[in-house]
Amino acid sequence: DVKVTQSSRYLVKRTGEKVFLECVQDMDHENMFWYRQDPGLGLRLIYFSYDVKMKEKGDIPEGYSVSREKKERFSLILESASTNQTSMYLCASSPQVAGANNEQFFGPGTRLTVL
Amino acid sequence: ELKVEQNPLFLSMQEGKNYTIYCNYSTTSDRLYWYRQDPGKSLESLFVLLSNGAVKQEGRLMASLDTKARLSTLHITAAVHDLSATYFCAVEPVGDDKIIFGKGTRLHILP
Repeated sequence: DVKVTQSSRYLVKRTGEKVFLECVQDMDHENMFWYRQDPGLGLRLIYFSYDVKMKEKGDIPEGYSVSREKKERFSLILESASTNQTSMYLCASSPQVAGANNEQFFGPGTRLTVL
Repeated sequence: ELKVEQNPLFLSMQEGKNYTIYCNYSTTSDRLYWYRQDPGKSLESLFVLLSNGAVKQEGRLMASLDTKARLSTLHITAAVHDLSATYFCAVEPVGDDKIIFGKGTRLHILP
């Protein structure tokens, strides 16, 4: 079974703090994604990565950065947390096999509250 | 811009009834995914539809894909309370490794 884990289920931080959200997958997937989910807005893609040390902006990258130093790990960084970054953050991974589908497998999510 | 539209967005129905959730999309694609999300939880994969005419069934849920109409349906037969959740469809555009999600259909089944 594909397993995607996230470092925290719940996190409370203060405005201005630097926040790290970690995601690890154990299926040797090339692609990894970070989304945030807010009521009424669905899932919005923040950043994604197709390979180690590679990153691409998604739809809402402002206020976030990412790091992918190892294939299995994809970190989301909030350089200076703000209250409008209070949200559920979901990490996902998918394989990159020619001709195969790109079904994404999700981690359990991190509910971040910024006070 | 690719759009993935689900309807309805909210659905309250009685146990034992049948209903269909629709997913329309605006780009060429022959790959579509359905996910389920329980409150406070993450997304769980339900169905992977990989070609025109694909049909998949699991218990009381059946999903189909019509790539010519750019439409997928998720049909619920004789609904039971345990199926209460939010259902997302997601479309994989041709040549893209990303998938684009609809806003989700929140399904509430009354006992």
